[in-house]
Amino acid sequence: QSALTQPASVSGSPGQSITISCTGTSSDVGGYNYVSWYQQHPGKAPRLFIYDVSNRPSGVSNRFSGSKSGNTASLTISGLQAEDEADYYCTSFTSGSTWVFGGGTKLTVL
Amino acid sequence: QVQLQESGPGLVKPSETLSLTCTVSGGSISRYYWTWIRQSPGKGLEWIGYIYYAGGTYYNPSLRSRITISVDTSKNQFSLKLRSVTAADTAFYYCARFLHPEEGFDPWGPGTLVTVSS
Repeated sequence: QSALTQPASVSGSPGQSITISCTGTSSDVGGYNYVSWYQQHPGKAPRLFIYDVSNRPSGVSNRFSGSKSGNTASLTISGLQAEDEADYYCTSFTSGSTWVFGGGTKLTVL
Repeated sequence: QVQLQESGPGLVKPSETLSLTCTVSGGSISRYYWTWIRQSPGKGLEWIGYIYYAGGTYYNPSLRSRITISVDTSKNQFSLKLRSVTAADTAFYYCARFLHPEEGFDPWGPGTLVTVSS
């Protein structure tokens, strides 16, 4: 199974919106609504931020939203804040009943 | 609130077996799926495998020949064994939980660094 494709880095200024894409295939992202997103700060474990494509766990700001079209899922962060600077990973369940991660995207808040 | 904690040797010699345990506290290991994920220093996340509390397993195809994941419900623990390790297996190893695939991995343990070196 191949890793999902994410941009290596994205950046934005405080208050702006950014979108991180996550592209897979019909055997993973395109075939299931089992896409989740994780935020990871340096030296910390990843934290679930979006599940089931577009749902937020309790405690996650509504500035974070997820969507999917075809084989590509997206994470949008609106009203960027300094604390959003982190690495973001997508993951999808696959037709083989396994999981695959994206390569990760480093978000820089300018 | 459920908490996970990884434990095991921080240093393993090449060709030997890496063994880690994840202890679940604040809740039962039953009803859930339990997974292992690793991250080489400075790199991205790699899914290793998962086990259902009743014992069914699925592994990353690229690691399948070297992995065994097991569960001990009496101890509220599950474990990872990775055989014939090389320097490429040096990584932070995380354990995590999921109930249904659509719900994602939550929570995660804090992670433990395992270095493969002679």
